[in-house]
Amino acid sequence: IAGITQAPTSQILAAGRRMTLRCTQDMRHNAMYWYRQDLGLGLRLIHYSNTAGTTGKGEVPDGYSVSRANTDDFPLTLASAVPSQTSVYFCASSEREGHNEQFFGPGTRLTVL
Amino acid sequence: GQNIDQPTEMTATEGAIVQINCTYQTSGFNGLFWYQQHAGEAPTFLSYNVLDGLEEKGRFSSFLSRSKGYSYLLLKELQMKDSASYLCAVLDSNYQLIWGAGTKLIIKP
Repeated sequence: IAGITQAPTSQILAAGRRMTLRCTQDMRHNAMYWYRQDLGLGLRLIHYSNTAGTTGKGEVPDGYSVSRANTDDFPLTLASAVPSQTSVYFCASSEREGHNEQFFGPGTRLTVL
Repeated sequence: GQNIDQPTEMTATEGAIVQINCTYQTSGFNGLFWYQQHAGEAPTFLSYNVLDGLEEKGRFSSFLSRSKGYSYLLLKELQMKDSASYLCAVLDSNYQLIWGAGTKLIIKP
């Protein structure tokens, strides 16, 4: 692995189903983030983690949950998907919170029908 | 509320210079980032400004005026590969990044 990876690349999901988007980084970065990107809107922060074992809510956390059991992995779970969660999801990491540049994964394109 | 404004779309000619503006109103300010995003790809870091003035990096320069809540990204000697969206983002008082919607730059030969 080089950098930050996400899986799946894309997914079509029926409304009401549970879905986990995976994110793994091998840069030993402390901070990780989940964003959604919708047409005409800026990236919006869903959840973040400043260090393993801690998580926080971003701008649009409702309907999503995260965990940070170790430094490398930061999965995002949709407990019961709804059509408004159709979006492109980006995971990102940075050396630490704040001033550092963020490195982004390739994204997951999710469609909820 | 927090707000970041950028033009939605700009067109420029190969070899020319283009300036992409960004104005912001945020709760606190801890720095401003510019990212580039090609269609269907992830954003990649271009620049970071926390003090007023111009930061130059090759063909790309970024300027910041904190008193005016204003920044611009200057791209020189435009190449076709510069066709992309350019995202402005501000680090607020909670050290969270607030993102603009991005400016789609179209380069014509």
